[in-house]
Amino acid sequence: DAGITQSPRHKVTETGTPVTLRCHQTENHRYMYWYRQDPGHGLRLIHYSYGVKDTDKGEVSDGYSVSRSKTEDFLLTLESATSSQTSVYFCAISTGTGGPGANVLTFGAGSRLTVL
Amino acid sequence: KNEVEQSPQNLTAQEGEFITINCSYSVGISALHWLQQHPGGGIVSLFMLSSGKKKHGRLIATINIQEKHSSLHITASHPRDSAVYICAAPTEGGSEKLVFGKGTKLTVNP
Repeated sequence: DAGITQSPRHKVTETGTPVTLRCHQTENHRYMYWYRQDPGHGLRLIHYSYGVKDTDKGEVSDGYSVSRSKTEDFLLTLESATSSQTSVYFCAISTGTGGPGANVLTFGAGSRLTVL
Repeated sequence: KNEVEQSPQNLTAQEGEFITINCSYSVGISALHWLQQHPGGGIVSLFMLSSGKKKHGRLIATINIQEKHSSLHITASHPRDSAVYICAAPTEGGSEKLVFGKGTKLTVNP
């Protein structure tokens, strides 16, 4: 099984502070994703990566940046957190040899962020 | 962009009942995903299918490509099946980006 860990699992911060969430995988899977989950919206893609230094925006990327300097780590940064970014954040990796959109997703346990 | 709709939003059943959750999408896709989110928040992939039917234990997933519709069935439901079930599809034909349904909350009473 693909190992994927997120840190921190819980964080409370104040408006205007920077926050970085980390996603770490133990295997060399190419695709990694950051989603946020909010009541009434379901999961929404923030950013994803298809290789080291290769990233692309999702549908809710405003206010977020990402970096992937190593295959195993995908970082999500909120440069200046706002209350609207209070959410549960999930990292995922795509495993398998199918075509685009046709690979199994494995999710991290989630990171609950509260911005006061 | 693909639009993914699930029904019903909420479903309550008695133990042993046959459950069906529906998912429809608007754009042709490479594969459709079914996920389960446990009450504790963890998300696991149940199925990924591009045609026909897949079965795993008491869970069965079907897809009709022409009608752009998929169903998730649970036979002999059990309280431990209580969870939110989510379907997801690529935003467009060959995309790695997925769009997710809002989920179906299933409660199975003993």
